[in-house]
Amino acid sequence: AQTVTQSQPEMSVQEAETVTLSCTYDTSESDYYLFWYKQPPSRQMILVIRQEAYKQQNATENRFSVNFQKAAKSFSLKISDSQLGDAAMYFCAYRSFHSGYALNFGKGTSLLVTP
Amino acid sequence: DAGVIQSPRHEVTEMGQEVTLRCKPISGHDYLFWYRQTMMRGLELLIYFNNNVPIDDSGMPEDRFSAKMPNASFSTLKIQPSEPRDSAVYFCASSFREDYGYTFGSGTRLTVV
Repeated sequence: AQTVTQSQPEMSVQEAETVTLSCTYDTSESDYYLFWYKQPPSRQMILVIRQEAYKQQNATENRFSVNFQKAAKSFSLKISDSQLGDAAMYFCAYRSFHSGYALNFGKGTSLLVTP
Repeated sequence: DAGVIQSPRHEVTEMGQEVTLRCKPISGHDYLFWYRQTMMRGLELLIYFNNNVPIDDSGMPEDRFSAKMPNASFSTLKIQPSEPRDSAVYFCASSFREDYGYTFGSGTRLTVV
């Protein structure tokens, strides 16, 4: 089974600054999908961004962008111009393209945004 | 679109009692997933359905857990008998394409005392 590792249990960023959350994964597959989910205190899981492994271009959604390094099996999330509302748990997730449709999640990174 | 609807939002029950969690997926979504979230183990897949048929239930902890999807708009996760170690947040999620991130419900926080 593929494993997803988020090595930073907690991160802190000042409002308006930029922060990068790390994620690495282990797989022998060449086709797969990667996701970042946000979980605020309300506990709702919110999709932030997704990346198809066959696409070389890094995905971007407004202030959120990823740095996808396929050879290194790395998928980091960059949040620009951080806002107080960005404070949440962030989960990296992997989904196989060929074998099953379940998401494998990392343990999460808790992001604190300070004024 | 009302999103994925789960009920109840909170459930407190006594050990040994039967617990039923409910989920209504987004209309048109043909995949439905049940996840469990705990501090110790994070987010774990319990089971998922495609077109109402269970595809992978390898994550179901033991025989005390069962899940059904009698039609495209409703699914249940039942625990009988419940134990304190079942205390967790249970999420339901649905999807209609394999490349879309799934849409999660707001979860049910289960406390077994």
